Amino acid sequence: DIQMTQSPSSLSASVGDRVTITCRASQSISNYLNWYQQKPGKAPKLLIYAASSLQSGVPSRFSGSGSGTDFTLTISSLQPEDFATYYCQQSYSPPYTFGQGTKLEIK
Amino acid sequence: QVQLVQSGAEVKKPGASVKVSCKASGYTFTRYGISWVRQAPGQGLEWMGWISAYNGNTNYAQKLQGRVTMTTDTSTSTAYMELRSLRSDDTAVYYCARRGEMATSSYYYYYMDVWGKGTTVTVSS
Repeated sequence: DIQMTQSPSSLSASVGDRVTITCRASQSISNYLNWYQQKPGKAPKLLIYAASSLQSGVPSRFSGSGSGTDFTLTISSLQPEDFATYYCQQSYSPPYTFGQGTKLEIK
Repeated sequence: QVQLVQSGAEVKKPGASVKVSCKASGYTFTRYGISWVRQAPGQGLEWMGWISAYNGNTNYAQKLQGRVTMTTDTSTSTAYMELRSLRSDDTAVYYCARRGEMATSSYYYYYMDVWGKGTTVTVSS
């Protein structure tokens, strides 16, 4: 199975900050990488697919990049509604494993 | 609008089975697959598998092989996930999600673009 490792596991930031979350795959996955946002008690929400394609309806302050084994999710200017947990997921080969999550908290 | 409506919470004893339903609406059911993801209390997301609503083909996570069965009923646009021989560590919220895809000239990219609200399954004696 492909292991996905996110860093950091948690992060404190302020409204307006630029934030970057990293996801590393245990082997090359090309750009078969998705990002999800999950708020407490809610289902995950798709933000980015194919490493850098923004899902319809997702604000443009979210962006994704990377290929191979290293990927990043960037939020250009944090808004209050962005405080949540973020997960990466590889869709290269099943099982389509997730990272352990990055919890983004208000500083 | 596109939505997935899941069945209600379940409480089961160890060794029992549970069957969770996921009713789709707002799109052509057979054009997409349905994935299942679970989340144990306070933990991350775990991909369980997926089923093609077009032809019923499935792909299950190896760790669940032999205990999980995913099916669909195209007449009602409903997907089902059955998990057998339940253990305490199967206690989790179970989500269904539509398996979206983006096709390029050479590749297909898959993702989960519409999610149900989740079904809590508690396994306890």
